[in-house]
Amino acid sequence: DVKVTQSSRYLVKRTGEKVFLECVQDMDHENMFWYRQDPGLGLRLIYFSYDVKMKEKGDIPEGYSVSREKKERFSLILESASTNQTSMYLCASSFGLAVRTDTQYFGPGTRLTVL
Amino acid sequence: AQSVTQLGSHVSVSEGALVLLRCNYSSSVPPYLFWYVQYPNQGLQLLLKYTSAATLVKGINGFEAEFKKSETSFHLTKPSAHMSDAAEYFCAVSDLKDKIIFGKGTRLHILP
Repeated sequence: DVKVTQSSRYLVKRTGEKVFLECVQDMDHENMFWYRQDPGLGLRLIYFSYDVKMKEKGDIPEGYSVSREKKERFSLILESASTNQTSMYLCASSFGLAVRTDTQYFGPGTRLTVL
Repeated sequence: AQSVTQLGSHVSVSEGALVLLRCNYSSSVPPYLFWYVQYPNQGLQLLLKYTSAATLVKGINGFEAEFKKSETSFHLTKPSAHMSDAAEYFCAVSDLKDKIIFGKGTRLHILP
């Protein structure tokens, strides 16, 4: 079974803090993704990565950055957290052979609250 | 641009009744379509996907979906609802840049 793990289930931070969300997958997948999930808005793509050290902006990259130094690990960084970044953050990975039809495998999510 | 629209943010059905969750898509190219499910306090998992083979796609837990090009629809059905089906369901479409565009989700409530 593919396993995608996220470093924290719940996180509380203060406005202006730098926040790191970590994601690790154990199936040697090429692609990794970060989404945020908000009620009534579904999932929105923040950033994704097709390979180590590669990254591409998704639909809502503002206020976020990412890092992928190793194939299995994809980090989401909030340089200066703000209250409007309070949300559920979901990491996903996929094999990468045929991206348009690949199944994405999701982690359990990190619920971030910024006070 | 590719997009999906899920009709109904909340759907309630009685246990044992038919489940029908509606999804319409918009795509400028032949679409690849997905249904994902999110159980409480979990991430999403794939229920089924359409990749241009059979138009009737069977998935896990007794769910199936039918691709109807003429109606631009990919509705999800299950003949008999079970309490364990209570979850949030997301329809999604692949876009031309190899990303997946998710709908806003439909929360399914099962009434005893």
